Amino acid sequence: AQTVTQSQPEMSVQEAETVTLSCTYDTSESDYYLFWYKQPPSRQMILVIRQEAYKQQNATENRFSVNFQKAAKSFSLKISDSQLGDAAMYFCALGGAGGTSYGKLTFGQGTILTVHP
Amino acid sequence: NAGVTQTPKFQVLKTGQSMTLQCAQDMNHEYMSWYRQDPGMGLRLIHYSVGAGITDQGEVPNGYNVSRSTTEDFPLRLLLAAPSQTSVYFCASGWTANSPLHFGNGTRLTVT
Repeated sequence: AQTVTQSQPEMSVQEAETVTLSCTYDTSESDYYLFWYKQPPSRQMILVIRQEAYKQQNATENRFSVNFQKAAKSFSLKISDSQLGDAAMYFCALGGAGGTSYGKLTFGQGTILTVHP
Repeated sequence: NAGVTQTPKFQVLKTGQSMTLQCAQDMNHEYMSWYRQDPGMGLRLIHYSVGAGITDQGEVPNGYNVSRSTTEDFPLRLLLAAPSQTSVYFCASGWTANSPLHFGNGTRLTVT
């Protein structure tokens, strides 16, 4: 069974500062994908960033980057130059890479991020 | 291009009632799935489908039925609603190695 753990129920950051959200996971699959999703109060699920496990290079998307440590099964999200619009619940998720693993994600418990002006 | 459309957005049921949550996608995705979101527990997979006519159970399937008669639609049925099914329900479609999972906007269901 796959598991995803987010050990920080809540985090806060000052506007323009940097914050890191933690995520650890466990899987027996050799190939998989990791994701960070953002859920604002509107309830919409928004993909922030995706990492393919076979790629050693850490993914980046503008102000968002990840620190992927495959051996340690760690996948943290760094938000640089935090903005008020970054305030949301953030979910880490793990998905398989083949066959019927598609479309089946295992989610962490979520981290509520507050951004202070 | 509407993406993934869920209806209704909100629903209140009484214990023992039945209802169907609708989900439709217009992206010709083969894969569709249903998740429920509960406080402190993230999203958990209820049922999923890898194509028309093919469905399988996820992590928390009890109390829910699904069918997939077309590529576009993947309804979720609650046969005998229970207060434990009070949750926010998300439908999603996708997913290939080249595309992310697309989520609907969710249905908030309350069972009294």
